Amino acid sequence: EAAVTQSPRNKVAVTGGKVTLSCNQTNNHNNMYWYRQDTGHGLRLIHYSYGAGSTEKGDIPDGYKASRPSQENFSLILELATPSQTSVYFCASGQDSPNERLFFGHGTKLSVL
Amino acid sequence: TQTVSQSDAHVTVFEGDSVELRCNYSYGGSIYLSWYIQHHGRGLQFLLKYYSGNPVVQGVNGFEAEFSKSDSSFHLRKASVHWSDSAVYFCAVRSGYNKLTFGKGTVLLVSP
Repeated sequence: EAAVTQSPRNKVAVTGGKVTLSCNQTNNHNNMYWYRQDTGHGLRLIHYSYGAGSTEKGDIPDGYKASRPSQENFSLILELATPSQTSVYFCASGQDSPNERLFFGHGTKLSVL
Repeated sequence: TQTVSQSDAHVTVFEGDSVELRCNYSYGGSIYLSWYIQHHGRGLQFLLKYYSGNPVVQGVNGFEAEFSKSDSSFHLRKASVHWSDSAVYFCAVRSGYNKLTFGKGTVLLVSP
């Protein structure tokens, strides 16, 4: 079973602070994704990546940056955190095929005060 | 562009009942539809997918889904639910190469 690990599991940040959420996958998947989950919205795609060095904007990229320094690691960066970014964030990975499934991490609960 | 709609925010059934969770999609290209389950406090886990062939697809734990082009639907069904099936269920549609768009989810509560 593919393994996707997120850290931290919980994070409390202050408004205006910088937050980095990390994701690691050990299955050599080319594609990685960051979603946020909010009541009434389901999961929404923030950023994704097709491989090391690449990042692409998803459906709601404003206020977020992403970094893919290696095949295994994909980070989501909030340079200036705001309370509206309080959410649960999920990282996922998948093989480079349009019909393949995604494998998700357990999520990071972020609270911005 | 493809979108997905899950019309039921909550569904409550008794253990042993059958259940159908509804998903409707908008067609904008080649079809790829899937269902995921999320237990409380966990990440999403894949249940099943459809992209061609037999419109009825089987998944894990007795779940199945049926693709209908005429109804633009991909409803998830289970003949006899167990309390452990209580979870949030998400329908997803491919919205670009290797990109998935998820519905808002349906909370399934199975009462003993």
